[in-house]
Amino acid sequence: SQKIEQNSEALNIQEGKTATLTCNYTNYSPAYLQWYRQDPGRGPVFLLLIRENEKEKRKERLKVTFDTTLKQSLFHITASQPADSATYLCALHTGGFKTIFGAGTRLFVKA
Amino acid sequence: DGGITQSPKYLFRKEGQNVTLSCEQNLNHDAMYWYRQDPGQGLRLIYYSQIVNDFQKGDIAEGYSVSREKKESFPLTVTSAQKNPTAFYLCASSIRAGGAGTGELFFGEGSRLTVL
Repeated sequence: SQKIEQNSEALNIQEGKTATLTCNYTNYSPAYLQWYRQDPGRGPVFLLLIRENEKEKRKERLKVTFDTTLKQSLFHITASQPADSATYLCALHTGGFKTIFGAGTRLFVKA
Repeated sequence: DGGITQSPKYLFRKEGQNVTLSCEQNLNHDAMYWYRQDPGQGLRLIYYSQIVNDFQKGDIAEGYSVSREKKESFPLTVTSAQKNPTAFYLCASSIRAGGAGTGELFFGEGSRLTVL
């Protein structure tokens, strides 16, 4: 079956450290992989996307890698801040009408 | 400011009642979507619409209905046939329908439905 897996356990890190979140998928060939941020009780907000032919993408303190051989994406937040605390969702877009979402990983950044 | 507006934010329903969730966008996007979010699960697609007067079932359409009479509006009705309707409902839009584009979704703030 087709699956997207994100670490269901919350990630707790100290302010200033780098947070690394993992997204693994099976039985998909995504054209794009996207990352969204979701705060409690609110809608997700798009952060970054990476194409299947790209290995790495950066935006300010965010970095995403995409390994289509391993079927894995890593999402990094450098110099993390308490304001980065949220749930981060991985999503696959195959080029059709559907975007498939993982369940998300909750990140807590302690001051 | 452009965006997606969902209402109401919170809604309570008695068993056997239909309820309608509103979704309006002023982004001039072609495609609109309804997702359902339950704790510990990824967002699941209920319905989507590529153009006015056309919509398609997603993965969990049973017990739901939609309409797309205007480009800006995509209301979702949760019918009494939906056996487990308590959830967080998210409306989204994207610039283009079909395979073109990166599929980036713009979401509303969500509507939380609770069945009493």
